Amino acid sequence: DSGVTQTPKHLITATGQRVTLRCSPRSGDLSVYWYQQSLDQGLQFLIQYYNGEERAKGNILERFSAQQFPDLHSELNLSSLELGDSALYFCASSQGWGGNQPQHFGDGTRLSIL
Amino acid sequence: GQQVMQIPQYQHVQEGEDFTTYCNSSTTLSNIQWYKQRPGGHPVFLIQLVKSGEVKKQKRLTFQFGEAKKNSSLHITATQTTDVGTYFCAGRGYQKVTFGTGTKLQVIP
Repeated sequence: DSGVTQTPKHLITATGQRVTLRCSPRSGDLSVYWYQQSLDQGLQFLIQYYNGEERAKGNILERFSAQQFPDLHSELNLSSLELGDSALYFCASSQGWGGNQPQHFGDGTRLSIL
Repeated sequence: GQQVMQIPQYQHVQEGEDFTTYCNSSTTLSNIQWYKQRPGGHPVFLIQLVKSGEVKKQKRLTFQFGEAKKNSSLHITATQTTDVGTYFCAGRGYQKVTFGTGTKLQVIP
């Protein structure tokens, strides 16, 4: 158990819809990262938050947005969903923001767009 | 931007054979981390290398960081079926960590 909690585990929806994925980091971790992993693909970095502030941005589409709340949990919002958005979305957390500590990953949310 | 490539993309080995995956960055790295993702699982941190030329061992796994801090390797001696999974390197550049493309290891019993 990594200590990172992601909900829901599975999400099935239709094209054009909007969904929200939730992540609770490990106790004591201030950074939250979001990644997208398509079938048998690598980890595409989307965005990082540190203590409520956006820290780094990757290949995140304009239809996607995220935020980190005062209690440090984070939400990833995906809107105007397309078939190609079907993927496994991971959240990871770490203590610091600079990438010199390990990232601890949640079990992921599997998003299926029909 | 920073790119981190891994080779090979896939590797099938007989149980007991050795395995090596290589990680190459387009820029100099501050550190490099290695993760393992079992089938159906999430990436799990294995190790971090910081110093130029650093070598670390974990049982049958040997990790190396290149002298120029732009490449790294993971070597597994005498693979076992429990080694199956995808191995990712993650390189820290300027305030940002970039994951490699991953090497998927299959071990044939």
